Amino acid sequence: AAGVIQSPRHLIKEKRETATLKCYPIPRHDTVYWYQQGPGQDPQFLISFYEKMQSDKGSIPDRFSAQQFSDYHSELNMSSLELGDSALYFCASSLVGRIGPNTGELFFGEGSRLTVL
Amino acid sequence: KNEVEQSPQNLTAQEGEFITINCSYSVGISALHWLQQHPGGGIVSLFMLSSGKKKHGRLIATINIQEKHSSLHITASHPRDSAVYICAAQRGSEKLVFGKGTKLTVNP
Repeated sequence: AAGVIQSPRHLIKEKRETATLKCYPIPRHDTVYWYQQGPGQDPQFLISFYEKMQSDKGSIPDRFSAQQFSDYHSELNMSSLELGDSALYFCASSLVGRIGPNTGELFFGEGSRLTVL
Repeated sequence: KNEVEQSPQNLTAQEGEFITINCSYSVGISALHWLQQHPGGGIVSLFMLSSGKKKHGRLIATINIQEKHSSLHITASHPRDSAVYICAAQRGSEKLVFGKGTKLTVNP
């Protein structure tokens, strides 16, 4: 069965560069969540989208932006990268807006590991 | 006080032992998730619970809504079970609130 796909899996950038992470949710899922997990830290919620509209916002820096596209995939754009942005970025998807099997169940991607040098 | 508390923080067991990890939460939830994360790896969803008990292989998860408490049990533990186990509370379609995780090491 298709899972949540994230790309790239690993990314190395220099300070002040820009990075874009992509998340492809489970087919027919309408909600995407982005989390950031620093080394030895708990995952921190960044932002979520429901039906291509931002639904909730967490501790996402102003240097970061995200959107969900018409095909429901989402992209997290990070600019002016800092050393502290080095982390594992997780995407999770869920079916929220329609009743069906597994409604509300979250599925996680493998994560994209960003290293800022 | 964290909204989601896990115990213990660290757990070392011998292969074959029965393991229990506990999770208490202080908020009203629509679902409670148990997640597994191997070192440097992604997060795998083990269970999503809203009531009762679920079993998958050697893993069992229970939840008591009245007591706001959930447990994850591993029977006949194996070294490959070594990972961080995370409890996370979900309210409706809102983001998850994560516990601090329990680092499990199972020695051969």
